[in-house]
Amino acid sequence: TQLLEQSPQFLSIQEGENLTVYCNSSSVFSSLQWYRQEPGEGPVLLVTVVTGGEVKKLKRLTFQFGDARKDSSLHITAAQPGDTGLYLCAGVRGTSYGKLTFGQGTILTVHP
Amino acid sequence: DSGVTQTPKHLITATGQRVTLRCSPRSGDLSVYWYQQSLDQGLQFLIQYYNGEERAKGNILERFSAQQFPDLHSELNLSSLELGDSALYFCASSVRRLAGVYEQYFGPGTRLTVT
Repeated sequence: TQLLEQSPQFLSIQEGENLTVYCNSSSVFSSLQWYRQEPGEGPVLLVTVVTGGEVKKLKRLTFQFGDARKDSSLHITAAQPGDTGLYLCAGVRGTSYGKLTFGQGTILTVHP
Repeated sequence: DSGVTQTPKHLITATGQRVTLRCSPRSGDLSVYWYQQSLDQGLQFLIQYYNGEERAKGNILERFSAQQFPDLHSELNLSSLELGDSALYFCASSVRRLAGVYEQYFGPGTRLTVT
């Protein structure tokens, strides 16, 4: 059983569409991070959310941390082919010295 | 470029062999984390070092070991390799932003293929 459940696992959409990726857990996280990974490369940090209910925006990407700090979502507006990649959520629990627990990831494909 | 370097980029070896993967963290970062990424398991935390000391252990096999040296670079040693050890191995280093908030920066990874 994954501590962090991401959904959907796969998402194939057309350019210009909106999408939301969800990251859910029954555990509380002290912080949660979203990463984007391209094939054969390391994950790249997009955002860190810390406070319950926090919303952060990064251009067309909006990240939200749940009020209870157990879940998060990533919303992309007007997706572009350059958004294609693997999106990973990862959380830090309590005093785990930054050890990240990753979700399984969402593979996003945006078709021109 | 995250500032974390890993060598080698690719490694092909035979079952039963031993390999060493190397990682240099970003300048100033004291923590190093090792992760394994495979298609069926996703990204799995292996082990963390902080300023030369082991700090946390995850799903690391007994055949695997790691260390962090005084200059803060780290090495992951994989021995008695099996076909199932074929995976991408990532190193990350972190900076502590706030209490309990650590942002990790990943290296480009080492792709290990065991034949």
